[in-house]
Amino acid sequence: EPEVTQTPSHQVTQMGQEVILRCVPISNHLYFYWYRQILGQKVEFLVSFYNNEISEKSEIFDDQFSVERPDGSNFTLKIRSTKLEDSAMYFCASSWTGFDQPQHFGDGTRLSIL
Amino acid sequence: SQQGEEDPQALSIQEGENATMNCSYKTSINNLQWYRQNSGRGLVHLILIRSNEREKHSGRLRVTLDTSKKSSSLLITASRAADTASYFCATDGGNTGKLIFGQGTTLQVKP
Repeated sequence: EPEVTQTPSHQVTQMGQEVILRCVPISNHLYFYWYRQILGQKVEFLVSFYNNEISEKSEIFDDQFSVERPDGSNFTLKIRSTKLEDSAMYFCASSWTGFDQPQHFGDGTRLSIL
Repeated sequence: SQQGEEDPQALSIQEGENATMNCSYKTSINNLQWYRQNSGRGLVHLILIRSNEREKHSGRLRVTLDTSKKSSSLLITASRAADTASYFCATDGGNTGKLIFGQGTTLQVKP
């Protein structure tokens, strides 16, 4: 069964550094998402992306965050200047449409900011 | 917040017993979905129930939805040790695919 893959599985970065998290969604999916889960807390929506544009973003997704689909297979999340509070698991997900469809999640990238 | 509470927060049962988890939400929805998360892994989609459906089955899973009470329940029958995981409900209320997750229920099934 096709799956969403995320790299790296664990990223350790100094505060203030830029970090790029990478995802390869399922190939025929059209909608892409990033979520995050701070340790012990619930999963929070960050952004949805369709047709090379952000379709919705949360309050968490401020100017420090950006997303890009640089080619036909990758979907990236960039955090420009990391803060301690950015430490979390970041999950990428994809779905065929943005309506009434299950989302397929990767195993996440654990981001640790020192 | 679109999402309310899930209860219980933690549930411990013996193998073979049934497990019931409840979820409440606050605003109108298109559908409600249930996901499982094993420790250190991503979320796995279990079942999606649309707002015009009242009950849905998938294998040992049974989900109900009561839109008048803004609540849903997930029943796992004849539980197995492999069902040990966290279970989350998530609501989809728009057309961008944004999911709003609950706090989750941690289920432990003892062999």
